[in-house]
Amino acid sequence: DTAVSQTPKYLVTQMGNDKSIKCEQNLGHDTMYWYKQDSKKFLKIMFSYNNKELIINETVPNRFSPKSPDKAHLNLHINSLELGDSAVYFCASSQTANYGYTFGSGTRLTVV
Amino acid sequence: GQNIDQPTEMTATEGAIVQINCTYQTSGFNGLFWYQQHAGEAPTFLSYNVLDGLEEKGRFSSFLSRSKGYSYLLLKELQMKDSASYLCAVRDSNYQLIWGAGTKLIIKP
Repeated sequence: DTAVSQTPKYLVTQMGNDKSIKCEQNLGHDTMYWYKQDSKKFLKIMFSYNNKELIINETVPNRFSPKSPDKAHLNLHINSLELGDSAVYFCASSQTANYGYTFGSGTRLTVV
Repeated sequence: GQNIDQPTEMTATEGAIVQINCTYQTSGFNGLFWYQQHAGEAPTFLSYNVLDGLEEKGRFSSFLSRSKGYSYLLLKELQMKDSASYLCAVRDSNYQLIWGAGTKLIIKP
């Protein structure tokens, strides 16, 4: 019944590794997002994607890449992880013509 | 640049009323949102304002003045479970959400 689900909830990995975080929504929403929430609690948009357009925040390093196999999924791949990538990553979705985002439960990434 | 300002932290007493302010400067305006985020959890939607005025939803109300670039979230009859961060977010002309850093609300007995 979970509307937006992301896995894993916790991820601890070493610098230089490549990892993926998966996200799925069963709300039938048109648009999905990836956000990064750092230690100061700012929510920063990384990507927004619908079946027509991928919008990338230009400040996001190209080590981060979204992959969307279909409308209900938007996975996040991260290459060559760095210490500064440690944060909580939230997936979210919204209906284009509607308001309000529904967030997943978050993935706490720790790079050691 | 785009900017959302809200107090970092507020303290209130159980049963009381608290008002959390948010001021914004964005490129265009297509609505303002308030979200609640408990520690270690995802943000959850509280309210949405796109027209000036007050929107009431139970113990929570949200007010918007577009001409002043200002909103507030009013929480009444505070309960301990209301201890959380409250995030203000504005949707700009590109329909992107610009987020404030959140206000951590501490409720004391």
